Amino acid sequence: AQTVTQSQPEMSVQEAETVTLSCTYDTSESDYYLFWYKQPPSRQMILVIRQEAYKQQNATENRFSVNFQKAAKSFSLKISDSQLGDAAMYFCAYRSGGGGADGLTFGKGTHLIIQP
Amino acid sequence: SAVISQKPSRDICQRGTSLTIQCQVDSQVTMMFWYRQQPGQSLTLIATANQGSEATYESGFVIDKFPISRPNLTFSTLTVSNMSPEDSSIYLCSVTLGATSTDTQYFGPGTRLTVL
Repeated sequence: AQTVTQSQPEMSVQEAETVTLSCTYDTSESDYYLFWYKQPPSRQMILVIRQEAYKQQNATENRFSVNFQKAAKSFSLKISDSQLGDAAMYFCAYRSGGGGADGLTFGKGTHLIIQP
Repeated sequence: SAVISQKPSRDICQRGTSLTIQCQVDSQVTMMFWYRQQPGQSLTLIATANQGSEATYESGFVIDKFPISRPNLTFSTLTVSNMSPEDSSIYLCSVTLGATSTDTQYFGPGTRLTVL
């Protein structure tokens, strides 16, 4: 079974600074997808960014980018120019690419605090 | 993306009773999933709701406790049966929009359940 580990229960960053959230995963599959979701206090799960394992290029979405190291099974999220609205729980998630009806496996989450 | 709604948004129930949670999507979707998020925890997949057939449950979850229906491509229900305080959680519906099962999952707003 796949596992996802987020080793930082909480991170704090000054507004406008850059912060990196860590995620590692364990799998024996070669085809899979990785995601970062954000959950603000409203509890709505919001997709931040997605990475396909077969792509070597790191995904980027505006201020959000990932550092995907497939051999090391690492998938970190970098948030540049942090804003107060970025404060939330961030969950790293894994999904098998085998074509079956697989749900997501989530890490325990990192609580991101933005200091004004 | 699709608009996903859940009813009720929150409820307080007595132990031993059952609650049915509805998930409605404004367009036809490929896959529908149900997740549980216990207080202060990450999300755990309960089951995949299959249209026209029985749901596929993850290890640790059984149909007698969490019966699921999916009568069409836009609607699903999850029932939490014979509730106990340990069932107090946020229950989230998730869908994939694309033609393949590996497309990104989007989440509903969740149902916050408290069992007394």
